Amino acid sequence: AQSVTQPDIHITVSEGASLELRCNYSYGATPYLFWYVQSPGQGLQLLLKYFSGDTLVQGIKGFEAEFKRSQSSFNLRKPSVHWSDAAEYFCAVHGSSNTGKLIFGQGTTLQVKP
Amino acid sequence: DTAVSQTPKYLVTQMGNDKSIKCEQNLGHDTMYWYKQDSKKFLKIMFSYNNKELIINETVPNRFSPKSPDKAHLNLHINSLELGDSAVYFCASSQWHEQYFGPGTRLTVT
Repeated sequence: AQSVTQPDIHITVSEGASLELRCNYSYGATPYLFWYVQSPGQGLQLLLKYFSGDTLVQGIKGFEAEFKRSQSSFNLRKPSVHWSDAAEYFCAVHGSSNTGKLIFGQGTTLQVKP
Repeated sequence: DTAVSQTPKYLVTQMGNDKSIKCEQNLGHDTMYWYKQDSKKFLKIMFSYNNKELIINETVPNRFSPKSPDKAHLNLHINSLELGDSAVYFCASSQWHEQYFGPGTRLTVT
């Protein structure tokens, strides 16, 4: 069965510091992978996605993620965090079936210290 | 020109009542979804419709009934509300693999 694990429930970083949020997935074939961000009281916004090709993908707001098949990982990174990045981050996987069902990880809460 | 909109944003009601949440998308997408986000922020698919046809129905109590009058709308009706139904409900739409989410409806059952 498909699954997504985000090992870090809560992360605190200082403003200006680098950030890496971990995501591991379980899926038999090459998955479609996504990172979404949810600001307090808001809906989910797509940060970036991986379908195929270059394993390093760039997203909005200065985020990037790297797909590593050997590690079944799709970690999200940002070189310098801004206070406005404080939010909930969700990694998700989408199977190759036509149903389009997204399976989400548990989410990582990012807190940014001034 | 909101892409995916939901109404209402907040819904407070008593146990046993029946309520509906509406969702509309103006992206021209064929597929729409309902997700439930629980108090631990875990997101889980409930239903998916493709061109007004139900294609995903996860293990959801039959008190929940989605209805899609046309491919731009997917409403969620909930009968006999229970305390455990309190959650944030998100609507989403997609054409291929990218899903666009609405702002959510926070349902509180008292």
